[in-house]
Amino acid sequence: ELKVEQNPLFLSMQEGKNYTIYCNYSTTSDRLYWYRQDPGKSLESLFVLLSNGAVKQEGRLMASLDTKARLSTLHITAAVHDLSATYFCAVDASNYQLIWGAGTKLIIKP
Amino acid sequence: ETGVTQTPRHLVMGMTNKKSLKCEQHLGHNAMYWYKQSAKKPLELMFVYSLEERVENNSVPSRFSPECPNSSHLFLHLHTLQPEDSALYLCASSQQGSDTEAFFGQGTRLTVV
Repeated sequence: ELKVEQNPLFLSMQEGKNYTIYCNYSTTSDRLYWYRQDPGKSLESLFVLLSNGAVKQEGRLMASLDTKARLSTLHITAAVHDLSATYFCAVDASNYQLIWGAGTKLIIKP
Repeated sequence: ETGVTQTPRHLVMGMTNKKSLKCEQHLGHNAMYWYKQSAKKPLELMFVYSLEERVENNSVPSRFSPECPNSSHLFLHLHTLQPEDSALYLCASSQQGSDTEAFFGQGTRLTVV
């Protein structure tokens, strides 16, 4: 059974700092997605990672995928308040299934 | 309109009521999904339709009944729900066989009283 673990589940940080969210998964998969969810809102796609070594960057967020280690990271550089949200990773388990992490609630304080 | 649209955005219903959630996608996708998001739980996949055929039903109670009349529309019919069914219900669509991600609607916040 494919399991996806995110850590930390909660992160409170100051503006301007760097931090990394980790997403580990238990079986082979070569597709991983990162989403953002603001309170009371839907999920917004951030990154699609499709191969080992894939790295994508958008603004202050950078995501990478290591399929051999079954690990993806979402790195936040010089955090700003607008990045406060809950971040989810999801792994493609095939057969239309995405297996979701529990989410990382990120609070960035001014 | 673009993307995935869900209605209503909020719904309060009694345990004896019957209601339906609606989802419409304008992306030309061939797969649609219903997810349940409860507080402090991971997203739970409820149903998947691909090319209007149900391909996944994750042991969802029969008080939830999906319907997919065409590739652009998805419904979730609700009857005799329980208070623990209160949650955010999210619809998503994707293009199976492509490398693109799933797109989500805004969700319906359901409260069962």
